[in-house]
Amino acid sequence: GAGVSQSPSNKVTEKGKDVELRCDPISGHTALYWYRQSLGQGLEFLIYFQGNSAPDKSGLPSDRFSAERTGGSVSTLTIQRTQQEDSAVYLCASSGAGQAIAKNIQYFGAGTRLSVL
Amino acid sequence: SQKIEQNSEALNIQEGKTATLTCNYTNYSPAYLQWYRQDPGRGPVFLLLIRENEKEKRKERLKVTFDTTLKQSLFHITASQPADSATYLCALAPNSGYSTLTFGKGTMLLVSP
Repeated sequence: GAGVSQSPSNKVTEKGKDVELRCDPISGHTALYWYRQSLGQGLEFLIYFQGNSAPDKSGLPSDRFSAERTGGSVSTLTIQRTQQEDSAVYLCASSGAGQAIAKNIQYFGAGTRLSVL
Repeated sequence: SQKIEQNSEALNIQEGKTATLTCNYTNYSPAYLQWYRQDPGRGPVFLLLIRENEKEKRKERLKVTFDTTLKQSLFHITASQPADSATYLCALAPNSGYSTLTFGKGTMLLVSP
């Protein structure tokens, strides 16, 4: 497949449990972004990886959230000790190389819908 | 603080008419402004990008205008079709090249036959 792939598509968990969400970006895309979309809210930036640079973690809402990107490709977003307010759709996007405009456009996966009971 | 505003109320129009969606922003100087389409249960899909030094951009039935003085972008869909029904998101990029995006909450467009 040529698009951004996210798994699982749905995740139901109990409050206090840890969850891992996976993102497989478009092959060759060096930039990867995580966003969160809560009901009735806009997309909220979480974290951004670009090549070998240190990730921009400025959007992470608490230290329960972390992410890593292995081998410059697949990324995992981990939420520890989940809370009900973490319930949302978590979206991953990637952007490619080339001219400035091409780098700026983001391609999104379908998201993981997280429900914390 | 930075703020992006899009009409929260759904826009209902008849097939064949032109839909116009508005994006206003404050406390922001974007290098680029983008519009995305989002269908239920899907991620956003890129439609158009306009640079800060551009006034207008067109692609098929879509047109975007960008007024950095008014801090406003208008997004037009001409000859609208029921298949255009979706939520449309405005997104601002502070930098050219790789950049995180700040999104508005989106406006739902409903095109009736």
